[in-house]
Amino acid sequence: AQTVTQSQPEMSVQEAETVTLSCTYDTSESDYYLFWYKQPPSRQMILVIRQEAYKQQNATENRFSVNFQKAAKSFSLKISDSQLGDAAMYFCAYNEGGSEKLVFGKGTKLTVNP
Amino acid sequence: NAGVTQTPKFRVLKTGQSMTLLCAQDMNHEYMYWYRQDPGMGLRLIHYSVGEGTTAKGEVPDGYNVSRLKKQNFLLGLESAAPSQTSVYFCASSYTGGSTEAFFGQGTRLTVV
Repeated sequence: AQTVTQSQPEMSVQEAETVTLSCTYDTSESDYYLFWYKQPPSRQMILVIRQEAYKQQNATENRFSVNFQKAAKSFSLKISDSQLGDAAMYFCAYNEGGSEKLVFGKGTKLTVNP
Repeated sequence: NAGVTQTPKFRVLKTGQSMTLLCAQDMNHEYMYWYRQDPGMGLRLIHYSVGEGTTAKGEVPDGYNVSRLKKQNFLLGLESAAPSQTSVYFCASSYTGGSTEAFFGQGTRLTVV
């Protein structure tokens, strides 16, 4: 079974600085998708960024970007110019292509210090 | 623009009681999911549905049942609640399955005493 590992239970960053959250996954498949979801204190999870494994180019959404290292099975999230509103739990998730299901990591709690 | 709506948002049950959690989505999505979130465990899939009238087991289905009689609704039932089912429950939906964006409800915090 595929597994997703987030090795940092908690991280902190100063406002306006950059932080990187780590995620590794285990799969023998070549067709898959990776996601980062944000869960703010309001609890409702929202998609931050999505990466298709067959694409070489790293996905970017405004201040959020990923470093996708397919051979190393690594999918880290970089948040630039951190803002107080970025404080949340961040979950890395994996989907095997053609599967209906997502596999989530255990999450990283990000604190943004003013 | 409601998206995914869960009711109720909070509930306290006594051991052995039953209840149903309702999830409704207005995006015409085929796929719907129920997850539970426990501290330090991330989200674990309970049951899911790939369309009206279909259901399937996820990672932790024991003690739960589901129904999808209408495309927009996905019900999660607890027939005889146990303290181990104390958790936050999330419903999600997506258009074409796990490879596309999942839209989540705000969660239901359930406590079983």
